[in-house]
Amino acid sequence: GPKVLQIPSHQIIDMGQMVTLNCDPVSNHLYFYWYKQILGQQMEFLVNFYNGKVMEKSKLFKDQFSVERPDGSYFTLKIQPTALEDSAVYFCASSLAPGTGIAQYFGPGTRLLVL
Amino acid sequence: GEQVEQLPSSLIVQEGASVLINCSYTDSASVYFPWYKQEPGKRLQFIIDIRSNMERKQNQRLTLLFDKKTKHLSLHITATQPGDSAIYFCSAKGFASALTFGSGTKVIVLP
Repeated sequence: GPKVLQIPSHQIIDMGQMVTLNCDPVSNHLYFYWYKQILGQQMEFLVNFYNGKVMEKSKLFKDQFSVERPDGSYFTLKIQPTALEDSAVYFCASSLAPGTGIAQYFGPGTRLLVL
Repeated sequence: GEQVEQLPSSLIVQEGASVLINCSYTDSASVYFPWYKQEPGKRLQFIIDIRSNMERKQNQRLTLLFDKKTKHLSLHITATQPGDSAIYFCSAKGFASALTFGSGTKVIVLP
């Protein structure tokens, strides 16, 4: 089936540094998402992005977080500055549309460790 | 906000047996329920979904039942194979785009 790619698969950084997580969504998809999963906990929605804009975000999407997709390249999640509690696996997803009945396709995740 | 509970957290079956995974949600505004499978070291893979105007959906060995009154779903996997070993996640979605996930059910199918 359609595949979403994520780069890198793992990232280790020091607290306070900036990190950018990259997502290559399915080629004809228009809606992009980030989810966060802390070890041992449920996956939780962070943000939805369409047409260059954040459409929805959860309370987990702190001010230190930002997303963009410049010129149809990677869809990125930037965290600046990082905090210890940002350590988690971040999953990118994409879909054709946001409506019900439209499946979101997930990437393999980026495991982020903030020291 | 929406909460999704999934049970059991894990189960082990012999190849050929059936598996039943239960999921309940709290928000009556949720209208779409996709299920995903995650094999060890691999990405979440969409396997089946159901909308709130349906009661039952089948895809080969997967049958998904939905009860709107009780806000309950169940995924039935028949004739299990070792390749069915994975973590299975139910999720719920309202008219917003966010999916709310359950905590997952780890299924181990012994050959």
